[in-house]
Amino acid sequence: DGGITQSPKYLFRKEGQNVTLSCEQNLNHDAMYWYRQDPGQGLRLIYYSQIVNDFQKGDIAEGYSVSREKKESFPLTVTSAQKNPTAFYLCASSIWGLQSTDTQYFGPGTRLTVL
Amino acid sequence: AQSVAQPEDQVNVAEGNPLTVKCTYSVSGNPYLFWYVQYPNRGLQFLLKYITGDNLVKGSYGFEAEFNKSQTSFHLKKPSALVSDSALYFCAVSNDRGSTLGRLYFGRGTQLTVWP
Repeated sequence: DGGITQSPKYLFRKEGQNVTLSCEQNLNHDAMYWYRQDPGQGLRLIYYSQIVNDFQKGDIAEGYSVSREKKESFPLTVTSAQKNPTAFYLCASSIWGLQSTDTQYFGPGTRLTVL
Repeated sequence: AQSVAQPEDQVNVAEGNPLTVKCTYSVSGNPYLFWYVQYPNRGLQFLLKYITGDNLVKGSYGFEAEFNKSQTSFHLKKPSALVSDSALYFCAVSNDRGSTLGRLYFGRGTQLTVWP
């Protein structure tokens, strides 16, 4: 998992609550990503950021929000508008923003369960 | 649209036998292909990637993959499987043009089980 940390490892949320997942990297990477993983569906991109103070929606951004105030941090907020938030959330980073040949490196993940 | 297919949800192989995990892709422009491995409740670990050059790419833990442009495939292989290779394997593709420049698209994953 390299120099990418995610916290907490497990998170439980009541319906109607917003929760924020932390992602920090010490790799000096420009680009950061959030993916959602559901069984049998692979990884789906939620949001990505190429540089500080800039981010773009991925394929499933509805019900999520992000910020990129510092290069090393890219927190994800799961809002109450997200209909089915129970999933495994993975943060990743790469050296440059959206270069096709870049390798993305992943954090250990956060498992979110809505009670 | 860019896409990746991993046609087998599960692959079972005996320890010591060769293993193959299949991947085919569809992209516009030049493909760049990646393999990752995931152990239970962990993040993805990078195994190898194909960018250009030799079609046979060698990666971590004795894995290798062969890029076949005519068949649009990038199968992952290992000559002799270990029980510790049991995990979920993901193939991913990116491309070099268009609005999807640099995005990684993942297959659904293949669960590899190596039995003793």
